[in-house]
Parts: sequence; C-alpha cells; structure tokens
Amino acid sequence: KNQVEQSPQSLIILEGKNCTLQCNYTVSPFSNLRWYKQDTGRGPVSLTIMTFSENTKSNGRYTATLDADTKQSSLHITASQLSDSASYICVVIPYNYGQNFVFGPGTRLSVLP
Amino acid sequence: EAQVTQNPRYLITVTGKKLTVTCSQNMNHEYMSWYRQDPGLGLRQIYYSMNVEVTDKGDVPEGYKVSRKEKRNFPLILESPSPNQTSLYFCASSLRGLAGTAYEQYFGPGTRLTVT
Repeated sequence: KNQVEQSPQSLIILEGKNCTLQCNYTVSPFSNLRWYKQDTGRGPVSLTIMTFSENTKSNGRYTATLDADTKQSSLHITASQLSDSASYICVVIPYNYGQNFVFGPGTRLSVLP
Repeated sequence: EAQVTQNPRYLITVTGKKLTVTCSQNMNHEYMSWYRQDPGLGLRQIYYSMNVEVTDKGDVPEGYKVSRKEKRNFPLILESPSPNQTSLYFCASSLRGLAGTAYEQYFGPGTRLTVT
C-alpha cells in the first residue's frame, strides 16, 4: 500500500532558528513530490514541486531535498519567522493516471518569539 | 485575482438532508478535485475531474457525487449526508492533471461541514 509518513508529528522552535521536516514514502513509481504549507483553517499552499529526477528545490527560506533511492524528502526552513507556524504536508503524486495521490499527515510547526 | 472559491464556508446539517457544496475557479484550469481532511488522517481525495464531463473516483468516493458541466465549476453533492461525513472539505484546481506534470495545484479556502 502506498504510504507517506512525516516526522516529527509536531515541532516547536524559537524565531530565527532553522528546522528540518522529514517525509518518507513508499509510492513507486512516482511523478513528483510536493510540499505544502497549511495555515490553520485555510487551504494548503504549494511551497515546492520536485520531479523524481530533481534533488533539491528552493522557494525563499524553504528548501526541499529529495533522495529517490532512499525514498526520503526533507523540507528545511531557514531563519524561521512567526508566520511559519503552520502544518507542512508532503504529497507524492504517482506516475500513472488513475492512481490516487498520497498525502502525508503533516508536521505541525510552532514558531515562538 | 486568480482564485478557487467555495460556498458555503461553514454548514451544519442533519442526517439525510441533501446538500451541495459549490466550487468555482477563474483560472481556466482543466483539472479540479475535491478532498476531505480529518484529524490524524491528512487530506484524502474524493473525486477529480480531468475536464468538462470527465470525472473519476479518488480515494474515498462513497457517499459523494460530483458533476463537471462547465469548466469553472465542480460542485460536490452529498445526497444523504451521514455523521461520518463531518469533515473539512477542500476544492482544488490545476491547469492539467498532476500525474506526470509539475503544474501547481491551488486550493480553495475550505468548507467545514457538520452532520448531526
């Protein structure tokens, strides 16, 4: 069964610190892997999209990495801000049409002043 | 402004009373989909549509119906809602389907549904 696991489940850091969120998946073959940011009560917003052949993708202070061999991805947040407090969701899109997307359960990040 | 809109944003209803949640996008996107989000389970796809008059089941389609008569609209219909359909629902759209592509997917603001 295709699965996406994320760790940690929740994380608390101080403003200005860096952090790394992890995503492990079993979906294979896959087309692309996405990271979303979801503020409480709002729809997810895309941060990065990486195809299976890409190793890294940046979007401002957010940098995602992908290791297709170990089926792991990470999202690194640099110099965190209070507005980074949100859930971060990893999504793996299967290669073939008709296969369902697989969303991870998310990591809840809280950035404290 | 490019956006996906959903209505209503909040809805409390009773078991068995048919309801429709509307979704509309103004980006001329071909691909639209519905998700539900439950605590601890993450987002799960209910139905998706590759284009007008083309719809298909996602991960959890039971108890739901959809239609795609126009490109911009993709309503979600609950013919006979039950308490296990209490959830947070999101509509999303993208220029094309996501498999094999890197198109952005844009989510609506969500509809919080409670079925008593």
